[in-house]
Amino acid sequence: DIQMTQSPSSVSASVGDRVTITCRASQGISSWLAWYQQKPGKAPKFLMHAASSLQSGVPSRFSGSGSGTDFTLTISSLQPEDFATYYCQQANSFPWTFGQGTKVEIK
Amino acid sequence: QLQLQESGPGLVKPSETLSLTCTVSGGSISSRSYPWGWIRQPPGKGLEWIGSIYYSGDTYYNPSLKSRVTISVDTSKNQFSLKLSSVIAADTAVYYCATGTNRKFDYWGQGTLVIVSS
Repeated sequence: DIQMTQSPSSVSASVGDRVTITCRASQGISSWLAWYQQKPGKAPKFLMHAASSLQSGVPSRFSGSGSGTDFTLTISSLQPEDFATYYCQQANSFPWTFGQGTKVEIK
Repeated sequence: QLQLQESGPGLVKPSETLSLTCTVSGGSISSRSYPWGWIRQPPGKGLEWIGSIYYSGDTYYNPSLKSRVTISVDTSKNQFSLKLSSVIAADTAVYYCATGTNRKFDYWGQGTLVIVSS
């Protein structure tokens, strides 16, 4: 199985801050990486796939980059509605696996 | 716009079989080549992909659960289902059904909590 490791596990930030979350795959996954946002008690919401392709309707302050084993999700200017947990997911090979999550908290 | 809704018992006894159904609306399950999948999330923990079924009937399961999992599609009811046998307390989780193109999950159900307890 491909292991997905996110860092940090949690981050405290203020509105307006730039936040970067890293996701590392235990082996190369090309660009088969998706990001999701989850708020408490809610289903995950799909943000982007192919490492950097933003879902329609997702604010442009969200961006992604990377290929191979190292990926990042960046929120350029954190907004109140962005406080949530973020997960990466690899879909290069079965079993599809998720990172353990990064919780973005209010500072 | 596809909508997915999970249904099934919220309490299952240890050693029994967990059975959930996902009802799809806003589109026909048989007219799309999406994979239809199940993902679970134990309380306070992360997401675990359980498995997916393609329109072709091909199924892919997480090896950690493969011996206990069956995913199937009922096109006449526009539903797909999950069966997990011989459940234990560690199978307690919120179970989500989800689907999407290009190996991602665009559409999710709201999730259903299943507790394994006697």
